[in-house]
Formats: sequence, structure tokens, C-alpha cells
Amino acid sequence: DTAVSQTPKYLVTQMGNDKSIKCEQNLGHDTMYWYKQDSKKFLKIMFSYNNKELIINETVPNRFSPKSPDKAHLNLHINSLELGDSAVYFCASSLGTGSNQPQHFGDGTRLSIL
Amino acid sequence: GESVGLHLPTLSVQEGDNSIINCAYSNSASDYFIWYKQESGKGPQFIIDIRSNMDKRQGQRVTVLLNKTVKHLSLQIAATQPGDSAVYFCAESYTDKLIFGTGTRLQVFP
Repeated sequence: DTAVSQTPKYLVTQMGNDKSIKCEQNLGHDTMYWYKQDSKKFLKIMFSYNNKELIINETVPNRFSPKSPDKAHLNLHINSLELGDSAVYFCASSLGTGSNQPQHFGDGTRLSIL
Repeated sequence: GESVGLHLPTLSVQEGDNSIINCAYSNSASDYFIWYKQESGKGPQFIIDIRSNMDKRQGQRVTVLLNKTVKHLSLQIAATQPGDSAVYFCAESYTDKLIFGTGTRLQVFP
């Protein structure tokens, strides 16, 4: 059974479009995250939600809007896509917000902007 | 040392040998550290963690060493196997965020 699942796995779209990525976790975790991994494999946090509330927003452009309908889901909507948005986006979850909790990652969504 | 560029630092080892992957972390106040393994097309997979009140922790075939004096973390893999080939990341937990290192590619050859 997949613990953290993201859809779609691949997303190819044109500049200026709006797209969404969905994430669901079945681990019973309270906290979910979105990360961006660039072409150099650098992995950086974007957002964190705990029980549907935003707790971390790493100065991401406001074209990116996360939404958490419940604690098992964290979706990412991106408006007016730009070339620099091309990356792999990873969803993750952890038990609680404490710093001593491992995060469990999905297999990523590869976003390519044409 | 680590470098950021188009190519990840790479460690090449022969199957059966031991591997040591090193990582320098940034913040003296970080209190929790994790090693992740990322295979091609997959997300980072948890390997082992260590809290700042420890200096060594062992798992199955893996050992993590923490040296807080020089802010250094290492991952030792015993009897490296082809399935260990991947990119390995260290991460430090600081102000409730995980900060990832730049990653090291481990290549295992027969």
C-alpha cells in the first residue's frame, strides 16, 4: 500500500497555464509538506501544514497556493506557470510538527513547462 | 568536500566494500538528523536518524556518526550492494524544518 501518493506523476504544460498536484497520505500523520527539487537535485521545503493549518511558508511566490481539505490531503495549485517552475515536486508527511520526526515522501510529480 | 554544480559529488565503490558518505551541516542548534536514499524516479526514502544527544546509531548494515563539534555527519554502509546505488541526502532539523544537504551519488560496481 502506498503511504504518500501524488498525482499526477508527470505533468507537461505550457507557460501561463494553471495546474494542480494532489497528495494523499494514509499514515495517519498530522503534518504534510511540499518540497521542490531542482535539476541539481537540491531539495527545498515550500510549505508545511499541520491539521489543515499552514505553519511554514518559505517565501514561495503567491502563484503557488496549497490547500488542505483534511489532514490526509495537501494539494498544490500553481497559477500562471513559468519556465522556472519546471522541477520535481515532492509531498511528504510526518507525525506531528516536532523537529524529531522523520518525514515520509511520495514519489514526486515531475513538472515540465514548455 | 561538497560542491554545488551540474553534477553531484559521486562516490564509486566496489560491491562488497564499505561506503562512507559525509555531510557537513549548517546550524549548531540543529537537534535531529536524518539520512535519506533517493533512487531514480522515486522520492527520498528514510534510512536512519540520530538525535543530537547521541554520537552513533546503528541500523541494519548502516551506521550514522554525528560529530557536533565540527558539525559533521556520516553514513557508513557495510558490504555495499548494487541495490545501494542511489543519491544519498543528509538532512538537519532546524526550527521545525528539514534542511537538506546537496546529496552524494553512490555508484556500486561489480
